[in-house]
Amino acid sequence: QVQLQESGPGLVKPSETLSLTCTVSGDSISSSYWSWLRQPPGKGLEWIGYIYSSGSTNYNPSLKSRVTISVDTSKNQFSLKLSSVTAADTAVYYCAKGYQSWGQGTLVTVSS
Amino acid sequence: EIVLTQSPGTLSLSPGERATLSCRASQSVSSTYLAWYQQKPGQAPRLLIYGASSRATGIPDRFSGSGSGTDFTLTISRLEPEDFAVYYCQQFGSSWTFGQGTKVEIK
Repeated sequence: QVQLQESGPGLVKPSETLSLTCTVSGDSISSSYWSWLRQPPGKGLEWIGYIYSSGSTNYNPSLKSRVTISVDTSKNQFSLKLSSVTAADTAVYYCAKGYQSWGQGTLVTVSS
Repeated sequence: EIVLTQSPGTLSLSPGERATLSCRASQSVSSTYLAWYQQKPGQAPRLLIYGASSRATGIPDRFSGSGSGTDFTLTISRLEPEDFAVYYCQQFGSSWTFGQGTKVEIK
C-alpha cells in the first residue's frame, strides 16, 4: 500500500519561497500522477497542482504564477515550490497519489 | 472554474439515522470525475467514493454515492459513531475544485 510523507520547513517568512518534498514508499512514482493540495486552518481544501512522472504538470490557475512542482524518479519523490508567500499561504499541505491516497499533511506557517 | 456548493452546511443526526448530503455543480461534471471524501479532525481526507458512485477500497457499504450532471448525493444509510465528520465533494476535470464541506454532527 502506498505511503506518502511530506517534509520541509514548518515556518517560512513572508515574500520567501515555500519548499516541500513528498517521499513515496510502497509504490513507484512512475505508476501514476502525484498531487499537492492544501487546507488553511479551519477552512476547506484547495488543489495546488499535479505532476506526471514524465514531468508534465497541471496547476491551479489561481496559483499558477507562483507554483512549481517537480519530480525526482531516482529518489521516488516529488516536490512543491510556492514563491512570494504571504500569511494567506499558511495551511496544512498534503501530497497525494492522484486524488486517491493522501499523506498525513504538514503545517506550514508564513510569519516573520 | 466549476464551483461546487454543498448542502446543508451542518447536519445534526443521531447514530442509526440516515444522512443525505448534496453537492451541486455550477456546470455539468462528468460522473467519472466526481469524488467524495471524509475528514476527521487532525486527519487527512479519506477517499470514500469515486466516479460518483464507486466505493473506494475498504469503504463500508453503508456509504453510497449517486447523481449526474450538476447534482450529486452522498448517502450514509445508518450512521455509525465513527461517521461523524466533515464530508467534501470534489470534481477533478482539468482543474480540480472542492465543495466547502458538510459537517455531520451528533444530535
